[in-house]
Amino acid sequence: NAGVTQTPKFQVLKTGQSMTLQCAQDMNHEYMSWYRQDPGMGLRLIHYSVGAGITDQGEVPNGYNVSRSTTEDFPLRLLSAAPSQTSVYFCASSPTQGRGQYFGPGTRLTVL
Amino acid sequence: AQSVTQLGSHVSVSEGALVLLRCNYSSSVPPYLFWYVQYPNQGLQLLLKYTSAATLVKGINGFEAEFKKSETSFHLTKPSAHMSDAAEYFCAVSEKGGATNKLIFGTGTLLAVQP
Repeated sequence: NAGVTQTPKFQVLKTGQSMTLQCAQDMNHEYMSWYRQDPGMGLRLIHYSVGAGITDQGEVPNGYNVSRSTTEDFPLRLLSAAPSQTSVYFCASSPTQGRGQYFGPGTRLTVL
Repeated sequence: AQSVTQLGSHVSVSEGALVLLRCNYSSSVPPYLFWYVQYPNQGLQLLLKYTSAATLVKGINGFEAEFKKSETSFHLTKPSAHMSDAAEYFCAVSEKGGATNKLIFGTGTLLAVQP
């Protein structure tokens, strides 16, 4: 199993540009989540999904969209990038409650 | 609402010394509790988890944590630090019985190990 994969690893955007961060898992997990990590703030939940076709907002959803058309994929879309979205983004998946989440390697995004 | 507090954003120990990283949670009912480790420029790796079985939980790399309901704590310990333990450690909580499996993270503790 590849586990949780994320692409790209690094990305530089200009303010106002849009892009999609890709996330895929091959473990047939129902739960998937997107977090952003900023220095001194830990990880904060952006959006999450409890299954294909079901998504909901987390703690910091503004400026981001998600969709979950398949169990495997959970892309995160930045509609109009802002410098405040400069961060490291992690995707995670989990089979059920209490099992912990499996994290991808992250995408380091810089918005100029 | 649930929350997690990690006391000490930076902890420094000598190689061979005891490691103690503190975590306190706020929740109306005992939640699921987790410790994750992050090495530089990598993702998060699960160290151990508490899911209401034994209150003393053993994890990977010689780490363990004890759930204390009366203190709402889940401190992480290791008897003897190795240089390879230098990393950032995150405590996280998840609502038990909820439908979402969301994780709420603490702000992290950066562990330095001195030779």
